[in-house]
Amino acid sequence: SAVISQKPSRDICQRGTSLTIQCQVDSQVTMMFWYRQQPGQSLTLIATANQGSEATYESGFVIDKFPISRPNLTFSTLTVSNMSPEDSSIYLCSVGPDRANYGYTFGSGTRLTVV
Amino acid sequence: AQKITQTQPGMFVQEKEAVTLDCTYDTSDPSYGLFWYKQPSSGEMIFLIYQGSYDQQNATEGRYSLNFQKARKSANLVISASQLGDSAMYFCAMRVYGNNRLAFGKGNQVVVIP
Repeated sequence: SAVISQKPSRDICQRGTSLTIQCQVDSQVTMMFWYRQQPGQSLTLIATANQGSEATYESGFVIDKFPISRPNLTFSTLTVSNMSPEDSSIYLCSVGPDRANYGYTFGSGTRLTVV
Repeated sequence: AQKITQTQPGMFVQEKEAVTLDCTYDTSDPSYGLFWYKQPSSGEMIFLIYQGSYDQQNATEGRYSLNFQKARKSANLVISASQLGDSAMYFCAMRVYGNNRLAFGKGNQVVVIP
């Protein structure tokens, strides 16, 4: 299975600022996924990031708020822009499915607190 | 649209006993995959087990087994011989083929007590 390095692991940010989260994969992957997990909630897909094209956003998420870059097949960033306390969540990147076991691998997550 | 339902309240289970976590799903697509993930308090998502809709046998991975009842659209996770390290949130998820996105249920909280 792929191994994902996600940074930062946690951050505390002031409202109105932006934070960029990075995910580096140890192998080339076609699609990368970005999820948000609000406190005590399940995972919600923000967008799918494809190399060489604009990310595909889910309903309720917009590019101006969550711009995504995918410069190559092993790397992606998610920016949380103009943050408010409601953006306090865990953000996770994911790749998959794995050819061997069909599973999706997740990064270790970024625990964001906006104050 | 895909829908995953996990309705059990938080569960306490005695160490070394088995626990069953319920998951029902709804899709009109005949080709799909079902997943279970474990999320400890550290926040990472750990892949546990996968069941394809056309698989004839229930999936097993070590102490994890999936009780797949296709007609009932249920995919319950069974954890045998619970360990203290099994204390975590457990999420059921589904992927419909042709669509690579995972849809997650709300999760089940499990606490293993000595």
